[in-house]
Amino acid sequence: NAGVTQTPKFQVLKTGQSMTLQCAQDMNHNSMYWYRQDPGMGLRLIYYSASEGTTDKGEVPNGYNVSRLNKREFSLRLESAAPSQTSVYFCASSESLAGSYEQYFGPGTRLTVT
Amino acid sequence: TQLLEQSPQFLSIQEGENLTVYCNSSSVFSSLQWYRQEPGEGPVLLVTVVTGGEVKKLKRLTFQFGDARKDSSLHITAAQPGDTGLYLCAEVKTSYDKVIFGPGTSLSVIP
Repeated sequence: NAGVTQTPKFQVLKTGQSMTLQCAQDMNHNSMYWYRQDPGMGLRLIYYSASEGTTDKGEVPNGYNVSRLNKREFSLRLESAAPSQTSVYFCASSESLAGSYEQYFGPGTRLTVT
Repeated sequence: TQLLEQSPQFLSIQEGENLTVYCNSSSVFSSLQWYRQEPGEGPVLLVTVVTGGEVKKLKRLTFQFGDARKDSSLHITAAQPGDTGLYLCAEVKTSYDKVIFGPGTSLSVIP
Protein backbone atom coordinates (compact mmCIF):
# COMPACT_ATOMS: atom_id res chain seq x y z
CA ASN A 1 0.00 0.00 0.00
CA ALA A 2 2.01 3.00 -1.29
CA GLY A 3 -0.58 5.72 -0.49
CA VAL A 4 -0.06 8.74 -2.78
CA THR A 5 2.82 8.67 -5.24
CA GLN A 6 4.13 11.53 -7.37
CA THR A 7 6.55 11.70 -10.27
CA PRO A 8 8.99 13.22 -10.88
CA LYS A 9 10.50 14.25 -7.52
CA PHE A 10 12.61 17.02 -9.04
CA GLN A 11 12.39 18.89 -12.33
CA VAL A 12 14.13 21.88 -13.92
CA LEU A 13 12.40 23.57 -16.85
CA LYS A 14 13.23 26.51 -19.05
CA THR A 15 10.66 29.27 -19.51
CA GLY A 16 8.11 28.21 -22.11
CA GLN A 17 8.64 24.47 -21.79
CA SER A 18 5.76 22.18 -20.90
CA MET A 19 5.51 19.23 -18.56
CA THR A 20 3.04 16.98 -16.79
CA LEU A 21 3.22 16.06 -13.10
CA GLN A 22 1.81 12.63 -12.37
CA CYS A 23 -0.07 11.56 -9.24
CA ALA A 24 -1.61 8.23 -8.28
CA GLN A 25 -3.32 6.92 -5.13
CA ASP A 26 -4.13 3.35 -4.16
CA MET A 27 -6.59 4.09 -1.32
CA ASN A 28 -9.71 4.10 -3.52
CA HIS A 29 -10.39 7.74 -2.61
CA ASN A 30 -12.93 9.74 -4.59
CA SER A 31 -11.32 13.16 -4.18
CA MET A 32 -7.91 14.28 -5.40
CA TYR A 33 -6.13 17.65 -5.20
CA TRP A 34 -3.14 19.58 -6.50
CA TYR A 35 -1.47 22.20 -4.29
CA ARG A 36 1.56 24.41 -4.63
CA GLN A 37 3.66 25.46 -1.63
CA ASP A 38 5.75 28.61 -1.56
CA PRO A 39 7.68 30.02 1.43
CA GLY A 40 5.42 31.84 3.88
CA MET A 41 2.24 31.03 1.94
CA GLY A 42 1.29 27.58 3.14
CA LEU A 43 -0.45 25.33 0.64
CA ARG A 44 -2.56 26.90 -2.10
CA LEU A 45 -5.10 24.81 -3.99
CA ILE A 46 -4.60 24.76 -7.76
CA TYR A 47 -7.28 22.30 -8.92
CA TYR A 48 -9.27 19.52 -7.38
CA SER A 49 -11.44 16.62 -8.46
CA ALA A 50 -14.31 15.51 -6.23
CA SER A 51 -14.90 12.38 -8.28
CA GLU A 52 -13.78 10.63 -11.43
CA GLY A 53 -14.74 12.71 -14.44
CA THR A 54 -15.04 16.06 -12.61
CA THR A 55 -12.52 18.83 -11.99
CA ASP A 56 -12.82 22.29 -10.41
CA LYS A 57 -10.59 25.33 -10.07
CA GLY A 58 -9.00 26.17 -6.75
CA GLU A 59 -7.38 29.41 -5.56
CA VAL A 60 -4.56 29.64 -8.15
CA PRO A 61 -5.53 27.77 -11.37
CA ASN A 62 -4.03 30.14 -13.95
CA GLY A 63 -1.28 28.54 -16.06
CA TYR A 64 -2.31 24.98 -15.18
CA ASN A 65 -4.57 22.25 -16.52
CA VAL A 66 -5.56 18.94 -14.96
CA SER A 67 -6.86 15.56 -16.03
CA ARG A 68 -8.61 13.00 -13.82
CA LEU A 69 -7.62 10.01 -15.91
CA ASN A 70 -9.44 7.47 -13.72
CA LYS A 71 -10.20 7.08 -10.02
CA ARG A 72 -6.52 6.47 -9.20
CA GLU A 73 -4.73 9.10 -11.28
CA PHE A 74 -4.82 12.90 -11.38
CA SER A 75 -2.26 14.77 -13.49
CA LEU A 76 -1.24 18.43 -13.54
CA ARG A 77 0.03 20.03 -16.74
CA LEU A 78 2.03 23.22 -17.23
CA GLU A 79 1.60 24.20 -20.87
CA SER A 80 4.15 27.04 -20.94
CA ALA A 81 6.20 27.21 -17.76
CA ALA A 82 7.02 30.58 -16.17
CA PRO A 83 9.51 31.43 -13.38
CA SER A 84 6.52 32.27 -11.15
CA GLN A 85 5.61 28.58 -11.25
CA THR A 86 8.82 27.63 -9.43
CA SER A 87 7.43 25.87 -6.37
CA VAL A 88 6.91 22.58 -4.59
CA TYR A 89 3.83 20.77 -5.88
CA PHE A 90 1.85 18.36 -3.72
CA CYS A 91 -0.85 15.95 -4.74
CA ALA A 92 -3.34 14.77 -2.14
CA SER A 93 -6.38 12.52 -1.89
CA SER A 94 -9.24 12.19 0.57
CA GLU A 95 -12.40 10.21 1.12
CA SER A 96 -14.98 12.87 1.90
CA LEU A 97 -17.87 10.42 1.66
CA ALA A 98 -16.69 8.99 4.98
CA GLY A 99 -17.02 12.46 6.53
CA SER A 100 -13.34 12.61 7.36
CA TYR A 101 -11.86 15.05 4.82
CA GLU A 102 -8.38 13.96 5.95
CA GLN A 103 -5.93 14.84 3.22
CA TYR A 104 -3.27 12.23 2.39
CA PHE A 105 -0.30 13.83 0.69
CA GLY A 106 2.35 12.61 -1.69
CA PRO A 107 6.05 13.44 -1.20
CA GLY A 108 5.99 16.44 -3.54
CA THR A 109 7.62 17.54 -6.79
CA ARG A 110 10.22 20.29 -6.58
CA LEU A 111 10.00 22.34 -9.78
CA THR A 112 12.40 25.09 -10.84
CA VAL A 113 11.68 27.22 -13.90
CA THR A 114 14.64 29.24 -15.17
CA THR B 1 -13.17 35.50 1.17
CA GLN B 2 -12.28 33.91 4.47
CA LEU B 3 -8.63 34.31 5.38
CA LEU B 4 -6.72 32.04 7.73
CA GLU B 5 -3.98 33.63 9.81
CA GLN B 6 -1.40 31.77 11.85
CA SER B 7 0.94 33.16 14.46
CA PRO B 8 3.75 33.29 15.04
CA GLN B 9 5.18 32.73 11.59
CA PHE B 10 8.46 31.41 13.02
CA LEU B 11 9.30 30.01 16.46
CA SER B 12 12.63 28.74 17.74
CA ILE B 13 12.78 27.27 21.24
CA GLN B 14 14.95 25.09 23.43
CA GLU B 15 14.12 21.45 24.07
CA GLY B 16 11.87 21.10 27.13
CA GLU B 17 10.09 24.44 26.73
CA ASN B 18 6.35 24.84 26.24
CA LEU B 19 4.80 26.72 23.32
CA THR B 20 1.48 27.72 21.82
CA VAL B 21 0.67 28.54 18.20
CA TYR B 22 -2.53 30.09 16.96
CA CYS B 23 -4.89 29.96 14.02
CA ASN B 24 -7.51 32.66 13.42
CA SER B 25 -10.20 33.30 10.86
CA SER B 26 -12.30 36.27 9.83
CA SER B 27 -15.44 34.10 10.03
CA VAL B 28 -16.73 30.89 11.54
CA PHE B 29 -15.09 27.57 10.76
CA SER B 30 -17.29 24.59 9.93
CA SER B 31 -14.47 22.38 11.15
CA LEU B 32 -10.73 22.80 11.44
CA GLN B 33 -7.75 20.53 10.98
CA TRP B 34 -4.14 20.73 12.17
CA TYR B 35 -1.35 19.19 10.10
CA ARG B 36 2.41 18.84 10.70
CA GLN B 37 4.84 18.89 7.81
CA GLU B 38 8.41 17.71 8.28
CA PRO B 39 11.15 19.01 5.96
CA GLY B 40 11.03 17.39 2.52
CA GLU B 41 7.72 15.63 3.12
CA GLY B 42 4.00 16.22 2.67
CA PRO B 43 1.79 17.33 5.59
CA VAL B 44 0.26 14.73 7.90
CA LEU B 45 -3.03 15.21 9.74
CA LEU B 46 -2.76 15.56 13.53
CA VAL B 47 -6.36 16.29 14.54
CA THR B 48 -9.77 17.55 13.39
CA VAL B 49 -11.92 19.73 15.69
CA VAL B 50 -15.57 20.32 15.02
CA THR B 51 -17.38 21.57 18.13
CA GLY B 52 -16.87 25.03 19.66
CA GLY B 53 -14.86 24.76 22.90
CA GLU B 54 -13.61 21.31 21.98
CA VAL B 55 -10.26 20.20 23.41
CA LYS B 56 -8.32 17.25 22.04
CA LYS B 57 -5.04 15.81 23.28
CA LEU B 58 -2.46 13.87 21.35
CA LYS B 59 0.34 12.89 23.75
CA ARG B 60 2.13 16.22 24.48
CA LEU B 61 -0.02 18.19 22.02
CA THR B 62 -3.24 19.89 23.12
CA PHE B 63 -5.61 21.35 20.53
CA GLN B 64 -8.38 23.77 21.42
CA PHE B 65 -11.20 25.09 19.25
CA GLY B 66 -12.55 28.49 20.26
CA ASP B 67 -16.08 28.75 21.61
CA ALA B 68 -17.11 30.88 18.65
CA ARG B 69 -15.33 28.54 16.22
CA LYS B 70 -13.26 31.39 14.74
CA ASP B 71 -9.94 30.45 16.29
CA SER B 72 -7.88 27.51 17.43
CA SER B 73 -4.66 26.91 19.32
CA LEU B 74 -2.06 24.17 19.50
CA HIS B 75 -0.07 23.85 22.73
CA ILE B 76 3.02 21.65 22.95
CA THR B 77 4.34 20.66 26.35
CA ALA B 78 8.05 19.92 26.85
CA ALA B 79 8.96 20.31 23.19
CA GLN B 80 11.37 17.81 21.66
CA PRO B 81 13.54 18.07 18.53
CA GLY B 82 11.17 15.63 16.82
CA ASP B 83 8.44 18.30 17.05
CA THR B 84 10.37 20.44 14.55
CA GLY B 85 8.33 21.18 11.45
CA LEU B 86 5.70 23.37 9.84
CA TYR B 87 2.34 23.39 11.63
CA LEU B 88 -0.59 24.14 9.34
CA CYS B 89 -4.18 24.80 10.24
CA ALA B 90 -6.81 24.18 7.60
CA GLU B 91 -10.51 24.87 7.23
CA VAL B 92 -12.67 22.08 5.90
CA LYS B 93 -15.16 23.41 3.38
CA THR B 94 -17.57 20.50 3.39
CA SER B 95 -19.93 22.04 0.83
CA TYR B 96 -17.12 22.17 -1.72
CA ASP B 97 -15.28 19.00 -0.71
CA LYS B 98 -12.01 20.85 -0.21
CA VAL B 99 -9.66 22.13 2.47
CA ILE B 100 -8.09 25.61 2.65
CA PHE B 101 -4.75 25.92 4.43
CA GLY B 102 -3.26 28.72 6.49
CA PRO B 103 0.32 29.96 5.92
CA GLY B 104 1.75 27.84 8.76
CA THR B 105 3.99 28.26 11.79
CA SER B 106 7.55 27.02 11.34
CA LEU B 107 8.79 25.50 14.62
CA SER B 108 12.40 24.69 15.38
CA VAL B 109 13.23 22.87 18.63
CA ILE B 110 16.90 23.11 19.50
CA PRO B 111 18.47 20.22 21.48
